[in-house]
Amino acid sequence: EVQLVESGGGLVQPGGSLRLSCAASGFTFSSYEMNWVRQAPGKGLEWVSYISSSGSTIYYADSVKGRFTISRDNAKNSLYLQMNSLRAEDTAVYYCARESGQFDYWGQGTLVTVSS
Amino acid sequence: EIVMTQSPATLSVSPGERATLSCRASQSVSSNLAWYQQKPGQAPRLLIYGASTRATGIPARFSGSGSGTEFTLTISSLQSEDFAVYYCQQYNNWPRITFGQGTRLEIK
Repeated sequence: EVQLVESGGGLVQPGGSLRLSCAASGFTFSSYEMNWVRQAPGKGLEWVSYISSSGSTIYYADSVKGRFTISRDNAKNSLYLQMNSLRAEDTAVYYCARESGQFDYWGQGTLVTVSS
Repeated sequence: EIVMTQSPATLSVSPGERATLSCRASQSVSSNLAWYQQKPGQAPRLLIYGASTRATGIPARFSGSGSGTEFTLTISSLQSEDFAVYYCQQYNNWPRITFGQGTRLEIK
């Protein structure tokens, strides 16, 4: 069974940093592209970042470029999102999602709250 | 950026009836469109990809149609578990994936 489990969310002050993790199981993690998608409270879905299966190709939404860094460790079956210079508008549930063109499996999400 | 517009924002339908949800793209996305279902407190679940292909395990009462800029998700006979928020997503402009704002399907 495919499972994606996010962790690392919490309350952080504006300008602070946080590192999210996504632990994958039930599939060959190193064969799949992965993404982070977020959802602000009561709002819709916003794509945040993409990483290829090897980690060699990375993309970011303009809203997070220069502040967020996506990475992966295929030996540990894990995906990461390093978030720096956090802003109030980054408050959201962050989901990791496996990509097969579309997003076929999602984690349960981890809540990031940016507030003083 | 390709803007996805869903209508209506809220749809009220009785159980057993048919629901039709619409999604329009600001420019052609070919058939590179997916539909997701999201229930409160849960992650989105993939329903349809390639505009009309049901994902694994999705009941046959869910169907998708359309291409280019106009798409439809139809639920043929609503069950209680189908009341949720539905999102369309284009991946034609990959990696600049964009989602619609969602349609809330509620019990009438």
